[in-house]
Amino acid sequence: DAGVTQSPTHLIKTRGQQVTLRCSPKSGHDTVSWYQQALGQGPQFIFQYYEEEERQRGNFPDRFSGHQFPNYSSELNVNALLLGDSALYLCASSLSHPGGGYTFGSGTRLTVV
Amino acid sequence: GQQLNQSPQSMFIQEGEDVSMNCTSSSIFNTWLWYKQDPGEGPVLLIALYKAGELTSNGRLTAQFGITRKDSFLNISASIPSDVGIYFCAGWKETSGSRLTFGEGTQLTVNP
Repeated sequence: DAGVTQSPTHLIKTRGQQVTLRCSPKSGHDTVSWYQQALGQGPQFIFQYYEEEERQRGNFPDRFSGHQFPNYSSELNVNALLLGDSALYLCASSLSHPGGGYTFGSGTRLTVV
Repeated sequence: GQQLNQSPQSMFIQEGEDVSMNCTSSSIFNTWLWYKQDPGEGPVLLIALYKAGELTSNGRLTAQFGITRKDSFLNISASIPSDVGIYFCAGWKETSGSRLTFGEGTQLTVNP
């Protein structure tokens, strides 16, 4: 049973560039959440997608956007990258009912230089 | 964004010792979760708690949902080297919709 799959695992980008990260949820899950984890910190909620729409958003600027496809997979896009965007980006999938435990992927390590 | 207050930040213990860590908040949560994160990996769910006062075990791990609903505790008994990692508490409240709020983590080191 495949868990949450994220790609790529590592990425280096230059300040000002744009990046797209991808996530395939665990089989049977229909909801995808994205978290940003800075070094030495706990994950911070970016947004959640359900039924191909953004259901909820955390305190992140509009440079962060996303998409969910009919097969429930999701993308996270970040425009105009800043050095401070360097972090581990985690995708978590779940069923639509909030409050349950989420299954996390291994993350994409983004480094902005 | 808001984070839970998790302590201690780090622990260095000998194999076989018991470990306790806790998480506190100024607000009430409806669900408490405990995750473990290994280097280069995402968090893995260890224990989920859904009721105030609930005490739940998973092998050598035991966690409790505080009766005030503002705190939670995780205990690890008879630690082994593979317990090394970062432990995170996470809370969910109905008023926050879908998001989980995480603590800053407890880095556990076990010396064999």
